[in-house]
Amino acid sequence: NAGVTQTPKFQVLKTGQSMTLQCAQDMNHEYMSWYRQDPGMGLRLIHYSVGAGITDQGEVPNGYNVSRSTTEDFPLRLLSAAPSQTSVYFCASRPGGGLNIQYFGAGTRLSVL
Amino acid sequence: EDKVVQSPLSLVVHEGDTVTLNCSYEVTNFRSLLWYKQEKKAPTFLFMLTSSGIEKKSGRLSSILDKKELFSILNITATQTGDSAVYLCAIAGGTSYGKLTFGQGTILTVHP
Repeated sequence: NAGVTQTPKFQVLKTGQSMTLQCAQDMNHEYMSWYRQDPGMGLRLIHYSVGAGITDQGEVPNGYNVSRSTTEDFPLRLLSAAPSQTSVYFCASRPGGGLNIQYFGAGTRLSVL
Repeated sequence: EDKVVQSPLSLVVHEGDTVTLNCSYEVTNFRSLLWYKQEKKAPTFLFMLTSSGIEKKSGRLSSILDKKELFSILNITATQTGDSAVYLCAIAGGTSYGKLTFGQGTILTVHP
C-alpha cells in the first residue's frame, strides 16, 4: 500500500536554482494537490489538479509550476528558488465525487539558502 | 475568502486528562469539515463532519459540528503520550473540487 509517495524527503537549494518535487499516487485518485506548511500557518494550497491535463492555482501559487500528464503523477516545479520557499511541502490526493478526504504524502523538507 | 481559526494554539496536559480542541470557520458554500492528526510526517485523517449535532467517534476521540455557530470541537478523553501531535482542522467549500482550507493547528503535548 504505497498511497502517496513524495521524493525527495529532504533538499537543500541555493537561491536561483530550479528543481522538481515529485509526487505519485497509486490509488487512481482524480484529484491531486500541493500544499506548503510553514510554522504557525497551517497548510496552504499551492496548486491543484482535478484530472490529467487540468490544473489550477491555489492560495499561494507564485514561484511554482505544475503539470499533470498522467493520473498518477503531479510534479511541482520551482523555477528559481528563493529563501521564502523554504518550507515543508505536502502532496495530497483524493478520489472524485463528494467526499473531500485528502490523503497526504510524507512531505519534502526544502531549505533554500 | 474561507477562514479557519483553531484554539488553543498549544496545550500541555498529563496522561489521563481530557482535552477539547476548538475550530471556528468562515466559508462560502460549506461542504464538510475535517480533522487531521499530524505527528512527525504526513497529516492522517481523523473525522469528516457534514451535519450539525451528529457526533463522530473513534475510540477515545470524538468530534461534533455546529453549522449554526460555525464551529467544531475535537475531544480526546483519557489522553496518552501517543496523542501528542498537531491537530489540524480544515474546511471544504466552494467549487465541487472542495479545496481544503486549514487552520493553524493545535499542538498537543501529553506528559506521562
